[in-house]
Amino acid sequence: ELKVEQNPLFLSMQEGKNYTIYCNYSTTSDRLYWYRQDPGKSLESLFVLLSNGAVKQEGRLMASLDTKARLSTLHITAAVHDLSATYFCAASATSGTYKYIFGTGTRLKVLA
Amino acid sequence: DTGVSQNPRHKITKRGQNVTFRCDPISEHNRLYWYRQTLGQGPEFLTYFQNEAQLEKSRLLSDRFSAERPKGSFSTLEIQRTEQGDSAMYLCASSPRGAGGPGNQYFGPGTRLLVL
Repeated sequence: ELKVEQNPLFLSMQEGKNYTIYCNYSTTSDRLYWYRQDPGKSLESLFVLLSNGAVKQEGRLMASLDTKARLSTLHITAAVHDLSATYFCAASATSGTYKYIFGTGTRLKVLA
Repeated sequence: DTGVSQNPRHKITKRGQNVTFRCDPISEHNRLYWYRQTLGQGPEFLTYFQNEAQLEKSRLLSDRFSAERPKGSFSTLEIQRTEQGDSAMYLCASSPRGAGGPGNQYFGPGTRLLVL
């Protein structure tokens, strides 16, 4: 069964620094999603990655997908305080299910 | 239509009581999902509807949980004989009709359940 792991689970970083969140999944998946969640709020869609080598960027966030390595990354460039949130990746198996499996999340805190 | 809506937003109940939550998806979305999220964890899949058909259900979902989507529009999630372990945020999401597998999901604000 598909499993999704994220690391790190917690990340505290200074404003202006760069960092990467990693998302590994255990079985074949051709769709990878990134979401943001603020405390007490629901999930906001950030990126949908649909093919090997896909790269998407929005502001200071860039996501990529390597289906051969079963790895997606979310790169943060020159972090600002407003990026403080919990980030989740989710994957779905290639066939036979519409289920999405979420990672446990990375809680990001950007310090001024 | 501004997004997925869920009601109520908060629910406090006593152990053993039944509760029902409602989700109204984005109107043109034919796919609807229910998730449960506990503190510090990612959303956990509960069930999936395509139109009015419940096509997938988590093995973790006990017999006390039931979901419906009678006309392929709104959905309800009922928990019977609630237990303290049912305390969680219940999230609904919808996604549009599309070729192939799952598309991007749009989440509602959630219903926070506390079982005393």
